[in-house]
Amino acid sequence: TQLLEQSPQFLSIQEGENLTVYCNSSSVFSSLQWYRQEPGEGPVLLVTVVTGGEVKKLKRLTFQFGDARKDSSLHITAAQPGDTGLYLCAGSSVSGTYKYIFGTGTRLKVLA
Amino acid sequence: DVKVTQSSRYLVKRTGEKVFLECVQDMDHENMFWYRQDPGLGLRLIYFSYDVKMKEKGDIPEGYSVSREKKERFSLILESASTNQTSMYLCASSFTYAEDYEQYFGPGTRLTVT
Repeated sequence: TQLLEQSPQFLSIQEGENLTVYCNSSSVFSSLQWYRQEPGEGPVLLVTVVTGGEVKKLKRLTFQFGDARKDSSLHITAAQPGDTGLYLCAGSSVSGTYKYIFGTGTRLKVLA
Repeated sequence: DVKVTQSSRYLVKRTGEKVFLECVQDMDHENMFWYRQDPGLGLRLIYFSYDVKMKEKGDIPEGYSVSREKKERFSLILESASTNQTSMYLCASSFTYAEDYEQYFGPGTRLTVT
C-alpha cells in the first residue's frame, strides 16, 4: 500500500511568518495535488503538479514537485489568518488515473 | 457553481443498524468517490465508481457497500454499523478528462455509531 506522509502534523504560527509543509513517499507519483480543507467543509483543490521539478505559484503559496516525483512541498510566504486550515497532499501513481491516495494532513493555524 | 451534496451533515446510529449515506453531484461527472476521514490518517478511499453501475473497491471496503444506479447519485451503505465506523464521510466527484484531475467534495457527513 502506498503511503503519503506529511510533516509537520500540526503547525501554529504568527501572522506574517513563512512556513513549509512537506509530503513524502517512497513511491513515484505521476501527479500530485494539494488541497485545503476548512472546518465543516470538504477539501478544495489548490494545485496539481505533474512534472518532476515543477514549481507552481498561487499568490503567496509556492508548490514544488520533487525531481524524482516522490515528494512535494508547499511553502507559504507571510501567512495570514485566512490560510488556517487542514492541508492535504494527494498522489496518483498511474498516469491519467482519476484515483488518488491522500496524505495524513497538516493542520495549520495562523494567529493574528 | 459546481455542487456535491450529501444527505446529512450529522447522523447518530446504533450498532447493528443499516445506514445509508447519499451523495448527489450536479456536474455530470463520470467518477464518484466515498472516503472516510479520521484524525492523523488523512482521507482513505472506501469505494469509487467510474460509471453507472460500475464500482471498484478502495483501500478500506470492509463493512461497506455502494450503489450507483444513476450518474448523479452515489450511495454508501453500512450493512451493520459498528462503533469503529464512527467517522467523517466525504463524497467526491470528478471528470475523467479534466486536465488537473480535480475532485469536488461535499461538506461531509459526521457519523456516530453508539
